[in-house]
Amino acid sequence: GENVEQHPSTLSVQEGDSAVIKCTYSDSASNYFPWYKQELGKRPQLIIDIRSNVGEKKDQRIAVTLNKTAKHFSLHITETQPEDSAVYFCAASTEDYGQNFVFGPGTRLSVLP
Amino acid sequence: EAGVAQSPRYKIIEKRQSVAFWCNPISGHATLYWYQQILGQGPKLLIQFQNNGVVDDSQLPKDRFSAERLKGVDSTLKIQPAKLEDSAVYLCASSTESGTSVTDTQYFGPGTRLTVL
Repeated sequence: GENVEQHPSTLSVQEGDSAVIKCTYSDSASNYFPWYKQELGKRPQLIIDIRSNVGEKKDQRIAVTLNKTAKHFSLHITETQPEDSAVYFCAASTEDYGQNFVFGPGTRLSVLP
Repeated sequence: EAGVAQSPRYKIIEKRQSVAFWCNPISGHATLYWYQQILGQGPKLLIQFQNNGVVDDSQLPKDRFSAERLKGVDSTLKIQPAKLEDSAVYLCASSTESGTSVTDTQYFGPGTRLTVL
């Protein structure tokens, strides 16, 4: 089955700097890759996703890149703000009838003022 | 649009007791998921329903966990009997997947935090 690894497990950046979180996956059939942000005690919220027919996607300060050959995808947050502090989870899924999301272990991002 | 509803929000039980969680997905969402999220880890899929049928329950500990979605809308997840290691947040999510090849966004409920003493 699919295995998703995520690095780093914790990340501290100064406000205004960029943050990059990387995930690798094992199943070459996976072709949908969402990123979730989870604040303490709250539900995961989708922040951006990418499908395998796209190499990069941007939404304001957030971008995701995908390298299908290397089986890795990354989340980029620019101009970080204290409210970006949270745990970020990547996930991988196959785009078929029985989609099965496998989440990474998470990255705790701290943005220091 | 109303979100995914779950109840209760918190539950404390002793080991070997039984517990049940309820989920009401977003109206019109055909697919419903139950996840277990242990503190400090990512959500782990327990079971996935498409309407009232089970699509994937390969990671559901069937000796103690059961879930149903009889009318294809609400769902209940039960643990009987509970163990200490079942302490976690149980998240319900739903998506609009309608059986086509398009993968749809999952929307999560607030979760039920279970503590087993």
